[in-house]
Amino acid sequence: SQELEQSPQSLIVQEGKNLTINCTSSKTLYGLYWYKQKYGEGLIFLMMLQKGGEEKSHEKITAKLDEKKQQSSLHITASQPSHAGIYLCGADRKEGNQGGKLIFGQGTELSVKP
Amino acid sequence: NAGVTQTPKFQVLKTGQSMTLQCAQDMNHEYMSWYRQDPGMGLRLIHYSVGAGITDQGEVPNGYNVSRSTTEDFPLRLLSAAPSQTSVYFCASSYRFLGRRSDTQYFGPGTRLTVL
Repeated sequence: SQELEQSPQSLIVQEGKNLTINCTSSKTLYGLYWYKQKYGEGLIFLMMLQKGGEEKSHEKITAKLDEKKQQSSLHITASQPSHAGIYLCGADRKEGNQGGKLIFGQGTELSVKP
Repeated sequence: NAGVTQTPKFQVLKTGQSMTLQCAQDMNHEYMSWYRQDPGMGLRLIHYSVGAGITDQGEVPNGYNVSRSTTEDFPLRLLSAAPSQTSVYFCASSYRFLGRRSDTQYFGPGTRLTVL
């Protein structure tokens, strides 16, 4: 089993609908990252959460970190076709961002139907 | 800046062949990493480096070698290719800020490798 588990693994939503992707860690979280990948391309950084209870937003995407549950959620409001892609969460396995060891979840594939 | 570049974009190998995947960045970043991406497995860390001359193993290092002789380059070597190494390989870099790795990793476009 992976250290970072994402759910669901895939998601198909109608344009305009809201959706949530979850990322749960089996180990202590020192930092939680969300990336988006368009098909056949590299990853694009969305946001990073570090403190329990922290919440960040970028346009219609909001991410929250629940440190106690070792879980983060990514919420998209009023989804658009441009939101389609693969969303990956990543986590530091060393405190303080001092290491280069960033572990990723298996990804959630999002399709948005117009 | 060109950012993170990877070559080749596509490669087909026969079992047992060796090759080197190239990764270069022109942003003077200290940290560089290699990942492989497989369906249903997400990104898995192969090797990483926190600076020139320093490398360490990630989650799936077997069958791969790395070296970091310069800040700019971080090549990944497949010693004897196996079909299990068929994957998409991504290189990433990030900078050090106040003693910590920056929040953002910059990813290359990837190399699609098929081992027959």
